[in-house]
Amino acid sequence: GAGVSQSPSNKVTEKGKDVELRCDPISGHTALYWYRQSLGQGLEFLIYFQGNSAPDKSGLPSDRFSAERTGGSVSTLTIQRTQQEDSAVYLCASSPGSGQGLYGYTFGSGTRLTVV
Amino acid sequence: QKEVEQNSGPLSVPEGAIASLNCTYSDRGSQSFFWYRQYSGKSPELIMSIYSNGDKEDGRFTAQLNKASQYVSLLIRDSQPSDSATYLCAVNDYKLSFGAGTTVTVRA
Repeated sequence: GAGVSQSPSNKVTEKGKDVELRCDPISGHTALYWYRQSLGQGLEFLIYFQGNSAPDKSGLPSDRFSAERTGGSVSTLTIQRTQQEDSAVYLCASSPGSGQGLYGYTFGSGTRLTVV
Repeated sequence: QKEVEQNSGPLSVPEGAIASLNCTYSDRGSQSFFWYRQYSGKSPELIMSIYSNGDKEDGRFTAQLNKASQYVSLLIRDSQPSDSATYLCAVNDYKLSFGAGTTVTVRA
């Protein structure tokens, strides 16, 4: 597609429920990144995909968080047993490649997750 | 853990003035540097990239890089109210590490 597409744009869930967040990157972009941004805070790195593999999962806050990417395209971030501290905007970005990072990222519009 | 530090702000400048934003980074091996603009409630938008020492100009924006001092800056000339946003400095190895951002307010 023309841009990075994320869905849903907003999600309100009850504490303890599981949620799935979806990211559809720009066609042909091999690198895909998930970040989250809590209210008034900076961007926190979660996970990075190159193709379908995830060389760096170091930012996932706990084992309740997991992500996958299939077909080198769409990625899903799953949060199990959601907690109130998971409330944030989850941002997905893609770029043509990685390595020494000649390319900036294009961000999607984000998913605003609220855990009540 | 790569660190990227920015002036916390907020930075308030009158319309038409120059806004100067500063950023330092910890990894001497970093090669690629970016500035993103983020309007309130929106996602970050790439506005400048710089890879070599010196200045790079794009319209009213100038990015400056000094790798020896591990310093990158962004100048916004002729500031407009539409420039009011949070500006994020980012440094790339294989992933972007972001600073906390500097909020700029341009007063009419």
